Amino acid sequence: GQQVMQIPQYQHVQEGEDFTTYCNSSTTLSNIQWYKQRPGGHPVFLIQLVKSGEVKKQKRLTFQFGEAKKNSSLHITATQTTDVGTYFCAGPGGSGNTGKLIFGQGTTLQVKP
Amino acid sequence: DAGITQSPRHKVTETGTPVTLRCHQTENHRYMYWYRQDPGHGLRLIHYSYGVKDTDKGEVSDGYSVSRSKTEDFLLTLESATSSQTSVYFCAISEVIKGTDTQYFGPGTRLTVL
Repeated sequence: GQQVMQIPQYQHVQEGEDFTTYCNSSTTLSNIQWYKQRPGGHPVFLIQLVKSGEVKKQKRLTFQFGEAKKNSSLHITATQTTDVGTYFCAGPGGSGNTGKLIFGQGTTLQVKP
Repeated sequence: DAGITQSPRHKVTETGTPVTLRCHQTENHRYMYWYRQDPGHGLRLIHYSYGVKDTDKGEVSDGYSVSRSKTEDFLLTLESATSSQTSVYFCAISEVIKGTDTQYFGPGTRLTVL
């Protein structure tokens, strides 16, 4: 079945260092979404990418959607302690208009002050 | 947060007992979802609903049932809880933003089965 894989599973960085998480889908995606979950919290929608090769920025966060629409990345420049959490990518799952998403396993980011 | 609440927020139960988790939304969303979250597995879909009395299975539906008798409530039932069902359970709704389905999550229920 359709799979969405994320690497790495964990990442520890020193505050100020950059961070990147990668997402790969077994199938071509119509769009990809990114969510952030703070420790003890619930996933919160960050952004969606729709176009092949699309790049979007949110302050220090840069999101990319691959040309083949099967992979994506999230890059954080100069991490801060507020960036701590788990980042999930997700793509549409299944047939029909059900709104279902297939989530990657997530990348948990720890930032040492 | 799309007006989603979950109850209870925490529950400890014993193996073999039935457990029902409730998800309540106030904004008349058609689609609702139940996920479980476990370390190393991310968010896995248990069941989802596309309307009142319309539900379907997700990827990890064994041991779970759901019901949706009214738009605002989506119930998840563990008929006979097992230790493998110890997890954090999230409810979500789907909302179309700029033509794409985006999900909004409830606060979660932490379930421990002893």
